[in-house]
Amino acid sequence: RKEVEQDPGPFNVPEGATVAFNCTYSNSASQSFFWYRQDCRKEPKLLMSVYSSGNEDGRFTAQLNRASQYISLLIRDSKLSDSATYLCVVTHHNTDKLIFGTGTRLQVFP
Amino acid sequence: GAVVSQHPSWVICKSGTSVKIECRSLDFQATTMFWYRQFPKQSLMLMATSNEGSKATYEQGVEKDKFLINHASLTLSTLTVTSAHPEDSSFYICSVRPQGALRRSYNEQFFGPGTRLTVL
Repeated sequence: RKEVEQDPGPFNVPEGATVAFNCTYSNSASQSFFWYRQDCRKEPKLLMSVYSSGNEDGRFTAQLNRASQYISLLIRDSKLSDSATYLCVVTHHNTDKLIFGTGTRLQVFP
Repeated sequence: GAVVSQHPSWVICKSGTSVKIECRSLDFQATTMFWYRQFPKQSLMLMATSNEGSKATYEQGVEKDKFLINHASLTLSTLTVTSAHPEDSSFYICSVRPQGALRRSYNEQFFGPGTRLTVL
């Protein structure tokens, strides 16, 4: 079983839609959580960190549920430019190592 | 954020040859760099942690004699795939974790644009 699991999608949504992605992690010692975005054949880039209290950055909202070992990302008012693969990432205590999920592909259509 | 470059961006080679990939940190000094590999439709997997002036730390299952890492300066790490075979064809990406002022989160890493290796 992979340490970080994501639904690969694709999620095909119209512009303006709200879409949510989920991610589960198996290691309860995981300490930090992130969403990265990866465009096709490009490098990943940090979208946002995820905190237990939940956090919002514009149209993007991230939530963490430590008890259920579950992370979510909500995108409101989807834009065509949001089309990408969204990677769920965790780290362990006292380590720089990033552990990536396989990603969820989002395609926003006009 | 930090700027990281990689060279080459893509390479096609014959089976049995060695390929060197360079990762450069352009706007800060990096004592540590990371090398990842990504196969199609799979997640990025950490191969090794490159440490300036010392030996790299390899992840379990990664052959250190096949994937040679040299981190000779604070701005350059190289990954050499020795005697490459078709199963080594992949997307190789390096990353750095810069000092505090350049990152939004403690664990934020900045990635190079990647090198796509195809071994025939």
